[in-house]
Amino acid sequence: GDSVTQMEGPVTLSEEAFLTINCTYTATGYPSLFWYVQYPGEGLQLLLKATKADDKGSNKGFEATYRKETTSFHLEKGSVQVSDSAVYFCALLNAGNNRKLIWGLGTSLAVNP
Amino acid sequence: DAGVIQSPRHEVTEMGQEVTLRCKPISGHNSLFWYRQTMMRGLELLIYFNNNVPIDDSGMPEDRFSAKMPNASFSTLKIQPSEPRDSAVYFCASSLGGSGLAKNIQYFGAGTRLSVL
Repeated sequence: GDSVTQMEGPVTLSEEAFLTINCTYTATGYPSLFWYVQYPGEGLQLLLKATKADDKGSNKGFEATYRKETTSFHLEKGSVQVSDSAVYFCALLNAGNNRKLIWGLGTSLAVNP
Repeated sequence: DAGVIQSPRHEVTEMGQEVTLRCKPISGHNSLFWYRQTMMRGLELLIYFNNNVPIDDSGMPEDRFSAKMPNASFSTLKIQPSEPRDSAVYFCASSLGGSGLAKNIQYFGAGTRLSVL
């Protein structure tokens, strides 16, 4: 079945450092891909998305490019801030899964001043 | 829009007691999802509804768990009897439902933190 694999955390960075969180997927067909973010004590919220190969999703300085050849959707940010400290989840939606999102385990990011 | 509303935000109960968690989805959304989040197992889908009908409850851990959606604006997740291993954060999410990416973006509530002593 479909699956999502994220790099394990926690990831600890200094402010203004470059961030990459790896996400790879296994799926039949052409899934849509998402990054959700969970700030401390809150629910998950959509950060960005991409629907087809080579699409780039972007929001709040974060970017991720849908790479079908490597089945990846890595999250990047050029300069992180303390306020980016959160847990980041990669997910996919495939028509065959009847609206169920398939989730990665999440990657915790801590940004130090 | 008020977003997905869950209550209570925190619940502390003793083993064996009944626990009821509540969710109000975003108005107009036709799909509703219940998730459980723990450190050990991450985010697990328990059950989801479409147009108030349960579509997939394969994630419900056992018969102690039940979920209902009596109307489009309200859903409950009940645990009876509760056990310490049920301690987790429970999230409700909703989406418009239907075909197309935009209609399947899920919006989450703030969650209910359950502690069973």
